[in-house]
Amino acid sequence: QAVVTQEPSLTVSPGGTVTLTCGSSTGAVTSGHYPYWFQQKPGQAPRTLIYDTNNKHSWTPARFSGSLLGGKAALSLSGAQPEDEADYYCLLSYSSEYWVFGGGTKLTVL
Amino acid sequence: QVQLVESGGGVVQPGRSLRLSCAASGFTFSSYGMQWVRQAPGKGLEWVAVITNDGNNKHYDNSVKGRFTISRDNSRNTLYLQMNSLRVEDTAVYYCAKYGGDGCSWGQGTLVTVSS
Repeated sequence: QAVVTQEPSLTVSPGGTVTLTCGSSTGAVTSGHYPYWFQQKPGQAPRTLIYDTNNKHSWTPARFSGSLLGGKAALSLSGAQPEDEADYYCLLSYSSEYWVFGGGTKLTVL
Repeated sequence: QVQLVESGGGVVQPGRSLRLSCAASGFTFSSYGMQWVRQAPGKGLEWVAVITNDGNNKHYDNSVKGRFTISRDNSRNTLYLQMNSLRVEDTAVYYCAKYGGDGCSWGQGTLVTVSS
């Protein structure tokens, strides 16, 4: 089964820009993996920010965007806010038969 | 709006069974695939199982294959997870999620504790 890798932790300054990445042990991440990005704050259920690589939900702040970058899925945050401090998880689909989460990135806004 | 409400969690002894339910509303349930995801205390998210909109195709993570069964009743707008031969390591909050071309929505989760 595939392993999906994310940075364990990242720090961004308020107002700054940061990119989180999501790689696959099977090779390059493509749109065919339908990359998802989720945000989770302590004690809360996850919330979907990005689906199918770069699509946003109505509740996704405009400062978040998704893309493919260097063979990985990427979540970019431009103009970080204190409320963006959270855990972020990516999810990849493998032929729609099984899905694998990354280990999560703990984002600190400091 | 989309609403997913999980139920059925609780404390159960190792080796016993439990069935989780996820009541869906606010969308055409029979048009969407559904998933179960879990999160052990203090750990990351773990994908558990997926079922297609018509219930004809199901897939599982290796850690639950042969023990868990995902199913759905489209007439009742409800998703299920039958969990047999439960292990201590199955202790987690279990979330159901709707997924598809218009995104992914989550329920609030139900806690399953496997302990003697």
